[in-house]
Amino acid sequence: KAGVTQTPRYLIKTRGQQVTLSCSPISGHRSVSWYQQTPGQGLQFLFEYFSETQRNKGNFPGRFSGRQFSNSRSEMNVSTLELGDSALYLCASSSGQIKETQYFGPGTRLLVL
Amino acid sequence: DAKTTQPPSMDCAEGRAANLPCNHSTISGNEYVYWYRQIHSQGPQYIIHGLKNNETNEMASLIITEDRKSSTLILPHATLRDTAVYYCIVSPTGGSQGNLIFGKGTKLSVKP
Repeated sequence: KAGVTQTPRYLIKTRGQQVTLSCSPISGHRSVSWYQQTPGQGLQFLFEYFSETQRNKGNFPGRFSGRQFSNSRSEMNVSTLELGDSALYLCASSSGQIKETQYFGPGTRLLVL
Repeated sequence: DAKTTQPPSMDCAEGRAANLPCNHSTISGNEYVYWYRQIHSQGPQYIIHGLKNNETNEMASLIITEDRKSSTLILPHATLRDTAVYYCIVSPTGGSQGNLIFGKGTKLSVKP
């Protein structure tokens, strides 16, 4: 079974721009979560989508948004990029059932200049 | 904030068992203990989880104390490829609803 895939793997943007990252979950998984990883803050939960609905949300500003499509693929958008948004963005999928674990993708490394 | 406490770093000789401790003294009755690891610049990888019984799979063993306030992840024969940051997480849902709370983890260095 193919794992979680994320595109693009690397991205360079400038301040003020916006960016869209994509995540394809493991086949059959209906839950997709997004995390941000920085050296200072570590791994932090952004939000989770299940069956096209945002089910859980972390403590991030409204510049960070996401959506999920009917095929469970998910996109994350960051508007008005700031230097501090430079990070590894990780996507994880799960079946969405209680106690089922998450499987992470390789991440998208975003550099904001 | 993370509900677990782990040593920031540990060394282990190749071929020896690596024992990684984790304290979770405020764990609730419905919370499981999960272990993930992250090899440099890759996404975290699930290792094992348990509620109160010891667990073993092809990657590792998990020993949970009877009072559930601490646990130990055991890699029986560590290899150089086991060098990674290991995260201990307590969660009632296992991350099935996202919102895993990662602490700083333990950086395990396996040395030849």
